[in-house]
Amino acid sequence: QVQLKESGPVLVQASETLSLTCTVSGFSLTNYGVIWVRQPPGKGLEWMGIIWRNGNTDYNSALKSRLSINRDTSKSQVFLKMNSLQTDDTAIYYCTREVMDAWGQGASVTVSS
Amino acid sequence: DVVLTQTPPTLSATIGQSVSISCRSSQSLLDSDGDTYLNWLLQRPGQSPQLLIYSVSNLESGVPNRFSGSGSETDFTLKISGVEAEDLGVYYCMQATHAPFTFGSGTKLEIK
Repeated sequence: QVQLKESGPVLVQASETLSLTCTVSGFSLTNYGVIWVRQPPGKGLEWMGIIWRNGNTDYNSALKSRLSINRDTSKSQVFLKMNSLQTDDTAIYYCTREVMDAWGQGASVTVSS
Repeated sequence: DVVLTQTPPTLSATIGQSVSISCRSSQSLLDSDGDTYLNWLLQRPGQSPQLLIYSVSNLESGVPNRFSGSGSETDFTLKISGVEAEDLGVYYCMQATHAPFTFGSGTKLEIK
């Protein structure tokens, strides 16, 4: 059964760095990429970036300067790091398999000023 | 980046009514491999999004066949043939042909 689960801090201070982990099971990170998506309160979905099965990455143009996505295939984990957080980075952060057929439950992150 | 324009932003339907949602792309979503990577997702209130349709018209496993997708190049449509109460939520189109991938702004379906 394919599963993804996000974990990380609930509250982060403005100007600091957000670190989230997506732990996957039921598939290999060398066979599927993983996408990060976020959703600010009451707003739509925003595609953040992807780490492909070969380890290459692509990022949202608006976030590219602050965002990095990495992985540890031996632990089946994908990592998101985003620096210089602002209050408008407050959102639910989701990870999903590349083909979007399975999603995590989401991690709610609040950026406090 | 590719911009996806979804219309209408909100939709109100009675049970059994058929409805359509449009998604227009700022550039062709036909990939060089011959596939068109336009997906439709539904986010029910308080839930994670779920995949309904992939590659324009392919129904994801477990999704009822009252959902159908059509279109090509820059114009795409999601149709629900006979809305049911469980269909309420926000529908998003999403393109995965051109990186960075992008979502439409969403269409909220309400049940009258």
